[in-house]
Amino acid sequence: QSALTQPPSASGSPGQSVTISCTGTISDIGGYKYVSWYQQHPGKAPKLMIYEVTKRPSGVPDRFSGSKSGNTASLTVSGLQAEDEADYYCSSYAGSNNVFGAGTKVTVL
Amino acid sequence: EVQLVQSGADVKKPGESLRISCKGSGYTFSSYWISWVRQMPGKGLEWMGKINPGDSYTHYSPSFQGHVTFSADKSISTAYLQWSSLKASDTALYYCARGKFYDFGDVWGQGATVTVSS
Repeated sequence: QSALTQPPSASGSPGQSVTISCTGTISDIGGYKYVSWYQQHPGKAPKLMIYEVTKRPSGVPDRFSGSKSGNTASLTVSGLQAEDEADYYCSSYAGSNNVFGAGTKVTVL
Repeated sequence: EVQLVQSGADVKKPGESLRISCKGSGYTFSSYWISWVRQMPGKGLEWMGKINPGDSYTHYSPSFQGHVTFSADKSISTAYLQWSSLKASDTALYYCARGKFYDFGDVWGQGATVTVSS
């Protein structure tokens, strides 16, 4: 199972927006509504930020939003804050399996 | 509070066996799947597979099929990840995560470090 494709890095200044893409195929992202995004700070367990493409778990700021077009999903972080600096991973259901992207390191300049 | 608590760090030699645990609390353990996720040192997340604690149905990622075994004991709300013969390449941080059939990760364990070295 190939990993989903994410850019290795992204950055923005405080208050700006950053968008991370996650590209798959019709067999994963394009075929299902089950795309999730996770935030991981160094030395910490991942945290669910977005599920089912666009839904936010309770407690996740509305600065985080998700979308999907065809085989590509995206996570947008608006109004960047220092605490948003972390690794972000996308994941998709892929027909009995789940698959992750390689991760994107977001730096707040 | 809903949480998953994993067993502590382990250091093993190649060829040895190991079982690590993931204990759920604060929710009906058998109503949610448990996924296992590997993170090798300095690397990204890899989905290993999942188990339904209610009926012990398992599904393994092709990358891990045959090398690890998932099990669960719903009477004590605990899921397990087991190796019968460890390799140095199994050295990693292993997470358990709660989920449904199609997705996972609303609750994560704290992670368990496995080090395999001669």
